Amino acid sequence: NAGVTQTPKFQVLKTGQSMTLQCAQDMNHNSMYWYRQDPGMGLRLIYYSASEGTTDKGEVPNGYNVSRLNKREFSLRLESAAPSQTSVYFCASSEDRDYGYTFGSGTRLTVV
Amino acid sequence: QKEVEQNSGPLSVPEGAIASLNCTYSDRGSQSFFWYRQYSGKSPELIMFIYSNGDKEDGRFTAQLNKASQYVSLLIRDSQPSDSATYLCAVNSAASGGSYIPTFGRGTSLIVHP
Repeated sequence: NAGVTQTPKFQVLKTGQSMTLQCAQDMNHNSMYWYRQDPGMGLRLIYYSASEGTTDKGEVPNGYNVSRLNKREFSLRLESAAPSQTSVYFCASSEDRDYGYTFGSGTRLTVV
Repeated sequence: QKEVEQNSGPLSVPEGAIASLNCTYSDRGSQSFFWYRQYSGKSPELIMFIYSNGDKEDGRFTAQLNKASQYVSLLIRDSQPSDSATYLCAVNSAASGGSYIPTFGRGTSLIVHP
């Protein structure tokens, strides 16, 4: 089982460029999440999708958009990248509220 | 804003000792609590979850929950250098439409020295 797969693993963008971070899970989980992790700030929720067809804002949604393409895939888009979006991005999925969250390996994004 | 608080550390313990990691949370309605371990440069991995007041043991790990005090802890017995990592506390809170979202603490850095 692959679990949660994120692509790409590393990316460097110039300010103003756009890109989409891809996430796919093969565990048939209903819920999927996007987090960013910055030094000293912990994991902060950007957007989540409780089920296929629904998306909701988390703690830090500004500058991002998401698409729940199907039950397996949940993408995160940066329309106009800014240096403040330099971070490590994690996708996670969950079967149920009581079973915890499985994380992907992360995308290390640098915006210059 | 729901909050989860952890001491950032580092917590330094000798090999073989008990490491005690603590977490407090603000949402009294929270029902599910998790401990994750994150090695430097890696993604978080789930090591324990607990829902009921009291203790839950799994190998060298014991999670303790006190909902009245809004307090969760993780004890690591016989600590090993391989336990050196950042430990993240996560708390589920109810969101719109019956969904749940996790809030993570900033993590406690644990160093186990030989």
